[in-house]
Amino acid sequence: KAGVTQTPRYLIKTRGQQVTLSCSPISGHRSVSWYQQTPGQGLQFLFEYFSETQRNKGNFPGRFSGRQFSNSRSEMNVSTLELGDSALYLCASSLVTYSYNEQFFGPGTRLTVL
Amino acid sequence: DAKTTQPNSMESNEEEPVHLPCNHSTISGTDYIHWYRQLPSQGPEYVIHGLTSNVNNRMASLAIAEDRKSSTLILHRATLRDAAVYYCILSPSGGGADGLTFGKGTHLIIQP
Repeated sequence: KAGVTQTPRYLIKTRGQQVTLSCSPISGHRSVSWYQQTPGQGLQFLFEYFSETQRNKGNFPGRFSGRQFSNSRSEMNVSTLELGDSALYLCASSLVTYSYNEQFFGPGTRLTVL
Repeated sequence: DAKTTQPNSMESNEEEPVHLPCNHSTISGTDYIHWYRQLPSQGPEYVIHGLTSNVNNRMASLAIAEDRKSSTLILHRATLRDAAVYYCILSPSGGGADGLTFGKGTHLIIQP
């Protein structure tokens, strides 16, 4: 079974631009969660999608948004990029929920904002 | 959400068992206990999770205290590949706004 894939793996943007990251979950998984990882803050939860609906949301500004398609693939968008958005963005999929199912993480997208 | 407390780092020798402790004194009755690990330059990897009873899988064992206020992840025979940051995480069974809250974790060092 193929694992969670994320594209692109690396991205360089400048302040004020916007970016879209993509995540393909494991086949059959319906829950997709997004996390941001930085050296200072560690791993922080952004949001979770299930059946094309945002089910949970972390404490991030509205510049961070996401969506999920009918095939469970998910995208996250960051608008008006700031230097502090430089981070590793991780996507994780679960069969139904991260609460009591194991989550499988992708390799991440490394975003650098200049 | 309930918080967990883990030692910052631990060191062990290759081929010996490793016991990684986690305190979660404010755990609620419906919180699951999860363990994930993150190897250098990789995304987190699921290790094990449980609710009340001890759990075993091919990677590790999870021993949960009777009062559920603490748990221990047991790696039966550590290898160099087990060197990673290990995270102990609680999650309510119904999900929650915080997703899986990853703390600082325990940095496990394996000596050859």
